[in-house]
Amino acid sequence: DTAVSQTPKYLVTQMGNDKSIKCEQNLGHDTMYWYKQDSKKFLKIMFSYNNKELIINETVPNRFSPKSPDKAHLNLHINSLELGDSAVYFCASSQVVRDGYTFGSGTRLTVV
Amino acid sequence: AQTVTQSQPEMSVQEAETVTLSCTYDTSESDYYLFWYKQPPSRQMILVIRQEAYKQQNATENRFSVNFQKAAKSFSLKISDSQLGDAAMYFCAQPRDDKIIFGKGTRLHILP
Repeated sequence: DTAVSQTPKYLVTQMGNDKSIKCEQNLGHDTMYWYKQDSKKFLKIMFSYNNKELIINETVPNRFSPKSPDKAHLNLHINSLELGDSAVYFCASSQVVRDGYTFGSGTRLTVV
Repeated sequence: AQTVTQSQPEMSVQEAETVTLSCTYDTSESDYYLFWYKQPPSRQMILVIRQEAYKQQNATENRFSVNFQKAAKSFSLKISDSQLGDAAMYFCAQPRDDKIIFGKGTRLHILP
């Protein structure tokens, strides 16, 4: 069983579309995260949720909206996609941050 | 502000040789944790090694070990007997304020 699973793995879409990326973890962790990895491989946090409650909301355009229906799921919805949104988006989870994250396999989003 | 610095964007090592990847960090805490993550071409993020600052002993995981210099705030990763499968991006990382901050990464090439 995959510990942190993201779908889809690849997403190609046109500018202006709305898309969602889903993430699920079966580790029983309380906290889930979304990171963006840009073309230079830099990893930057976007959001974190602890047991369905938004904890971290970094400076991200409000076209990005996370949703956590329960502590095992954290989805990312993106409205009005732009070329600059092209990146790899990683979901991760942890019980305590000092133990490190378990990452999903990433979603490569390409906006054309 | 960036608190984790990797000064080597790329490195190469001959197969079976030893290579050291550098990392410096910044913190005002007395006890903290540090990580090295590996991202192979598959893009999966894998936790390689974890160090607790309180422990004097350098962490080791098989061929991977760290040189932790607390006073210098240095946390380098040594890979012994390099193998082709070690080719990847390596990220130094530090938990900070309920999230993990990543360095910009070092791309490691293994020369056959």
